[in-house]
Amino acid sequence: DVKVTQSSRYLVKRTGEKVFLECVQDMDHENMFWYRQDPGLGLRLIYFSYDVKMKEKGDIPEGYSVSREKKERFSLILESASTNQTSMYLCASSPPGGADTQYFGPGTRLTVL
Amino acid sequence: AQKITQTQPGMFVQEKEAVTLDCTYDTSDQSYGLFWYKQPSSGEMIFLIYQGSYDEQNATEGRYSLNFQKARKSANLVISASQLGDSAMYFCAMRGSEGYNTDKLIFGTGTRLQVFP
Repeated sequence: DVKVTQSSRYLVKRTGEKVFLECVQDMDHENMFWYRQDPGLGLRLIYFSYDVKMKEKGDIPEGYSVSREKKERFSLILESASTNQTSMYLCASSPPGGADTQYFGPGTRLTVL
Repeated sequence: AQKITQTQPGMFVQEKEAVTLDCTYDTSDQSYGLFWYKQPSSGEMIFLIYQGSYDEQNATEGRYSLNFQKARKSANLVISASQLGDSAMYFCAMRGSEGYNTDKLIFGTGTRLQVFP
């Protein structure tokens, strides 16, 4: 059974802290994605990676960075968390080619105080 | 630019009735794919159904079917015989066809469906 896991379901951080959100997939997928989900806005792509050490900006990369040192792991980094980064963060993975669905993790609800 | 529009923020349906969730899209690509996902209150995104732009028949998966009207650029989800467990957010999404755009998805804003007894 395919599986995408995220390090935390709920996270509370303070403004200015450095925050790491971790995502691990066990399907040997090339592609990995980070989205944020806000009410009324749907899912918006922050960054995606199509190979180890490769990354591309999505629609809303400002304030975020990513790291992909191993194929199975994709990290989202908030260098200095701000209150407007309070959101649900979803990680996904997929094989290349676009014919298959993306497989999602359970999400991390981040609150920045 | 590609865009997905879901105009129904919320929908109500009685148990055992059918319901249609609307989705329109905008793209200049000739080859594209359309997805529907369900997100229960627990938060996980569950893949429901997929329609390719060249598929001649509407996709079906159990109680889910996709009413694909290419000329109108619509890809509505039809849920037959609604169940209480169908209460959730539903998202329509589209992938493109050029380079890495084939692997990225663009999502609509979602429709919250509530099924009542």
